Amino acid sequence: EAQVTQNPRYLITVTGKKLTVTCSQNMNHEYMSWYRQDPGLGLRQIYYSMNVEVTDKGDVPEGYKVSRKEKRNFPLILESPSPNQTSLYFCASSRVPPDYNEQFFGPGTRLTVL
Amino acid sequence: KNQVEQSPQSLIILEGKNCTLQCNYTVSPFSNLRWYKQDTGRGPVSLTIMTFSENTKSNGRYTATLDADTKQSSLHITASQLSDSASYICVPRFSGGYNKLIFGAGTRLAVHP
Repeated sequence: EAQVTQNPRYLITVTGKKLTVTCSQNMNHEYMSWYRQDPGLGLRQIYYSMNVEVTDKGDVPEGYKVSRKEKRNFPLILESPSPNQTSLYFCASSRVPPDYNEQFFGPGTRLTVL
Repeated sequence: KNQVEQSPQSLIILEGKNCTLQCNYTVSPFSNLRWYKQDTGRGPVSLTIMTFSENTKSNGRYTATLDADTKQSSLHITASQLSDSASYICVPRFSGGYNKLIFGAGTRLAVHP
């Protein structure tokens, strides 16, 4: 089944404790992206990747890191999480160009930083 | 500034009734517009995409319209079902950079029996 998977689905952590949210897709998509979704706001892009070893900042990259060592994986790293990073996070992938092709979203990771 | 406004913010209708969701955008230059459906606790799923030359596109009971001149789009749901309960997100794409996606905040629809 074609899908985007994320782990963990739920995470409660404390300020400053490094964490990684994994994302994997099995559709051989070149493009992958991370978003956060907060109440009353639309999805906002954190980082994106056009292909292996190619990443770039989205609209809200502060406090996050990403890497793209393999085509299928695109982990999101929070080196020192803070309470304002409490949010619902989505990973997505698509063929290129991403401006026309449909993005396929993962199930989401709900993160709470205390 | 590129913006997207969706209305209403939330809507409650009875099963079997029709409804229309609105999306106004100021994205320029405009490339295309996609509607997503997001079930509670899940990622968004694409319903339809419309280019600037298309006025209407249907996907089953969902019909999207686009007026590129007035920068408005609507999503009409016919004969609603309980499974239509979800958030509906409008995403216009501006052609100034292929990665520029602006997501609307969505309309939360609840269909009651």
